Amino acid sequence: DTAVSQTPKYLVTQMGNDKSIKCEQNLGHDTMYWYKQDSKKFLKIMFSYNNKELIINETVPNRFSPKSPDKAHLNLHINSLELGDSAVYFCASSRGTHEQYFGPGTRLTVT
Amino acid sequence: GDSVTQMEGPVTLSEEAFLTINCTYTATGYPSLFWYVQYPGEGLQLLLKATKADDKGSNKGFEATYRKETTSFHLEKGSVQVSDSAVYFCALSERSGNQFYFGTGTSLTVIP
Repeated sequence: DTAVSQTPKYLVTQMGNDKSIKCEQNLGHDTMYWYKQDSKKFLKIMFSYNNKELIINETVPNRFSPKSPDKAHLNLHINSLELGDSAVYFCASSRGTHEQYFGPGTRLTVT
Repeated sequence: GDSVTQMEGPVTLSEEAFLTINCTYTATGYPSLFWYVQYPGEGLQLLLKATKADDKGSNKGFEATYRKETTSFHLEKGSVQVSDSAVYFCALSERSGNQFYFGTGTSLTVIP
């Protein structure tokens, strides 16, 4: 049973396109996150979201937007993709501020 | 604000060597502390955790002790294996907030 799943695992697209990455957790957690990991493995929090509050990292461009259809899903939409958006994106979930559980990642390549 | 500082890598060790990866933290309250491991091509996995001062987290031969007096949570393993090659992240969460703070990661390579 996969706890946190993401699709797709790989995404190759051209500059200017709009794309989405889906995330689902079956742990019953109340908080979900999106992270961006660069080529040096540095993790940057992009969003955290529970059913009460969306916290946005102010450095994230507004081309990125999270969308949560229900508590088990938090999708990431990216508009007008740029070369610098190439990275690995991780979804994670937690119960409150307890340990986070990560998905396997989506490697996005923008050409 | 809260933060985590861990030693920079990369770290290269021979099999069966002793491992220490340093991690220090800054926190306003009483955080929980974590070590995560990321194997090549995979997501982060929780390795161990400690929720209060003097707690020792342990898993798969790795250990870390929550030291409030030195604000540290160093990761140790007595005898590393090639399969331990990965990137290790120290992390902190504050109970009062909704934030999780990760260190910059330390890459470990174990050679036979």
